[in-house]
Amino acid sequence: DVKVTQSSRYLVKRTGEKVFLECVQDMDHENMFWYRQDPGLGLRLIYFSYDVKMKEKGDIPEGYSVSREKKERFSLILESASTNQTSMYLCASTREVNQPQHFGDGTRLSIL
Amino acid sequence: LAKTTQPISMDSYEGQEVNITCSHNNIATNDYITWYQQFPSQGPRFIIQGYKTKVTNEVASLFIPADRKSSTLSLPRVSLSDTAVYYCLVGDGPAGTALIFGKGTTLSVSS
Repeated sequence: DVKVTQSSRYLVKRTGEKVFLECVQDMDHENMFWYRQDPGLGLRLIYFSYDVKMKEKGDIPEGYSVSREKKERFSLILESASTNQTSMYLCASTREVNQPQHFGDGTRLSIL
Repeated sequence: LAKTTQPISMDSYEGQEVNITCSHNNIATNDYITWYQQFPSQGPRFIIQGYKTKVTNEVASLFIPADRKSSTLSLPRVSLSDTAVYYCLVGDGPAGTALIFGKGTTLSVSS
């Protein structure tokens, strides 16, 4: 079974801090994704990566950046955290775009 | 990009068959239709995927009419543990760009 692991289940940070969310997958998948999920809004795509060192903006990239230095690891960075970035963050991976995405269990991030 | 429309919520009782319909009027020729299930405090989990006609696996069936402008997820004999949010996605193309999650359908199963 594919395993997508997110480094923290719960995280509390302060406004203005630089925040790193880490995601690791163990199935050598090319494609990795970061979403945020908010009540009533479903999942929204922040960034995705289809190869090492490659990244593409999703629907809501503002205030975020990403890093993919190794194939198995995809990091989401909040450059200067703000309270409106309080959310559930979900990482996913897939080998090919038509194949189902495999999700981690999410990181619930609170910005105070 | 194809956008999907699903009912916000549905209620059912244990043992009943549940059908959740998704509209995707602008589906493209190369788009697949994929359904996910999500429980509270967990990431979405893949249920079923299809391109046309009918697909069945051990947990669900997916019915897709000839025009592919809609699809129906069918859950046979639901149980309390099927209470979850169900998402319908359509998409193809460059990694991730066409995979748009909508707001999903919250299914509540009662005894």
